[in-house]
Amino acid sequence: DAKTTQPPSMDCAEGRAANLPCNHSTISGNEYVYWYRQIHSQGPQYIIHGLKNNETNEMASLIITEDRKSSTLILPHATLRDTAVYYCIVSGGGADGLTFGKGTHLIIQP
Amino acid sequence: GAVVSQHPSRVICKSGTSVKIECRSLDFQATTMFWYRQFPKQSLMLMATSNEGSKATYEQGVEKDKFLINHASLTLSTLTVTSAHPEDSSFYICSAGASYEQYFGPGTRLTVT
Repeated sequence: DAKTTQPPSMDCAEGRAANLPCNHSTISGNEYVYWYRQIHSQGPQYIIHGLKNNETNEMASLIITEDRKSSTLILPHATLRDTAVYYCIVSGGGADGLTFGKGTHLIIQP
Repeated sequence: GAVVSQHPSRVICKSGTSVKIECRSLDFQATTMFWYRQFPKQSLMLMATSNEGSKATYEQGVEKDKFLINHASLTLSTLTVTSAHPEDSSFYICSAGASYEQYFGPGTRLTVT
């Protein structure tokens, strides 16, 4: 079973910031928080990951709470191409198979 | 990010035949590759972990004699669906593990008639 809980769907206006929450209250000390997204009928795409510090890359920012029990993925300026299912996953690293939950279907509205 | 390819992208086969799907990491060497399956309107489910030069590790409920995995080199893993049946129709996706993240292939749509 997935160790994360996400809202099933969210809407966001194009050009605005999309904030996607994730709860992972049973995360272990050595597990990272990963975010992937899947556009319809394609393979998932890696977005970002973090352990306990906030992280930012060219795609998104990841905010992890101090107790590490929840996190938020931020897409700063959402575009229509960001419409996808976003998966929050906790994992020990690249050598571990991933357990996908149901994810959040983010719909960017024009 | 790293590039992972899959071939074929789509395949239709008759019930009882076998189908081989290839997964290649194009610009890095992957000691570990993974195979996932995704049914319509469902999430990805891990089928097996493929380690270069050793036997694959299958998840509970996945038949190792039906889904044969070979990881003969650091850039290639293959999944063979043997004696395919209509219920094996699905979207099969591979990934290659890097230090922290996994890079996914584009997926193979298998339809068994």
